[in-house]
Amino acid sequence: DIQMTQSPSSLSASVGDRVTITCQASQDISNYLNWYQQKPGKAPNLLIYDASNLETGVPSRFSGSGSGTDFTFTISSLQPEDIATYYCQQYDNLPLTFGGGTKVEIK
Amino acid sequence: EVQLVQSGAEVKKPGESLKISCKGSGFSFTTNWIGWVRQMPGKGLDWMGIIYLGDSDTRYSPSFQGQVTISADKSISTAYLQWSSLKASDTAFYYCARLLGYCGTTSCYRRTNFDSWGQGTLVTVSS
Repeated sequence: DIQMTQSPSSLSASVGDRVTITCQASQDISNYLNWYQQKPGKAPNLLIYDASNLETGVPSRFSGSGSGTDFTFTISSLQPEDIATYYCQQYDNLPLTFGGGTKVEIK
Repeated sequence: EVQLVQSGAEVKKPGESLKISCKGSGFSFTTNWIGWVRQMPGKGLDWMGIIYLGDSDTRYSPSFQGQVTISADKSISTAYLQWSSLKASDTAFYYCARLLGYCGTTSCYRRTNFDSWGQGTLVTVSS
């Protein structure tokens, strides 16, 4: 199975800050990576697909980059409504696997 | 609009059986895949498996193979997740989600993702 390692596991930042989350795959997955946001008590929601493509309707302050084994997810200016846990997910190989999640809080 | 509506919360005893459901609307049920994802209390997301609704072709995560059964009834646009004998460790939220794209037996095509999710079903297993 491909292991997805996310860091940090949690972070606290101020409104307006730039927030960066990293995700490392245990082997080359090209750009077969998605990012999801899960707000407390809600189902996950797709934000970024194929490592860097913004899902329709998702604010442009969210972005993704990377290829191979190293990926980055960025919120350019953190907003109060961005409080959530963020997950990366690879789909290069079955079984599909998720990163452990990064919980984002407001300082 | 794509919608997935899951059945309600369940409280069961260890050893009991259970089948939860996920009803789709707003898309062609028979030309899509539906996946199931587990989230244990306070934990992350675990992919369980996917089913192609047209012919019930199914892929399981090795972690869940033999532990659950994924099925579908295309006549009523509904996918199911079933246990024959629940354990306390099955206590979790279970989400269904539409898989946009395609997965073969070992890998998936480009632009494969879970683009729409159900609201989740909480399963509590306790004596």
